Amino acid sequence: DAGVIQSPRHEVTEMGQEVTLRCKPISGHDYLFWYRQTMMRGLELLIYFNNNVPIDDSGMPEDRFSAKMPNASFSTLKIQPSEPRDSAVYFCASSPSGGGVRNIQYFGAGTRLSVL
Amino acid sequence: GENVEQHPSTLSVQEGDSAVIKCTYSDSASNYFPWYKQELGKGPQLIIDIRSNVGEKKDQRIAVTLNKTAKHFSLHITETQPEDSAVYFCAASKSNFGNEKLTFGTGTRLTIIP
Repeated sequence: DAGVIQSPRHEVTEMGQEVTLRCKPISGHDYLFWYRQTMMRGLELLIYFNNNVPIDDSGMPEDRFSAKMPNASFSTLKIQPSEPRDSAVYFCASSPSGGGVRNIQYFGAGTRLSVL
Repeated sequence: GENVEQHPSTLSVQEGDSAVIKCTYSDSASNYFPWYKQELGKGPQLIIDIRSNVGEKKDQRIAVTLNKTAKHFSLHITETQPEDSAVYFCAASKSNFGNEKLTFGTGTRLTIIP
């Protein structure tokens, strides 16, 4: 398997523009997580899905952020309108379930977002 | 909610020496404690994890210890090598299987001096 695939790897945009980050989880994984990493706040969980259903979105900073998972192989994180303080590295991770001992989270390589 | 504190934030050790990173957590219901390694330009990767029914776990040069009473756990790397240089994160979760919400520590930048 190619692992968790995120696109784009880098995104530079201007304040006020819409930004869409994409994630393809590992095939067969039914948990998907979106994280944000900054120097100031470290690695924060934004939202996670189980079987395409959002389970906990308490980490989503505000209404400008939204996430969807239309099917088991694709998820998006959208920021509209974007602001400079949204600049960060955004990670997607996926995990299997089923009672196995090592249901760990596998992270993608991340999307580095810069909002000017 | 859960709060995980991690120390130190930076650590430099001579190649071949040992490195120890410590974390404390606040929620006594947490029962799963993974450690992740993040290399430059990459996402975090799990290196070892421990569950609340175990006090210590070892995998070659890395080991993790857990003290549930004191609510702290530690990562030990022995015989450090240059490729151990990275940022290390501890995390805690209430899930037995690690596939639910993880709360991460703030990270430790480990530098191995050749």
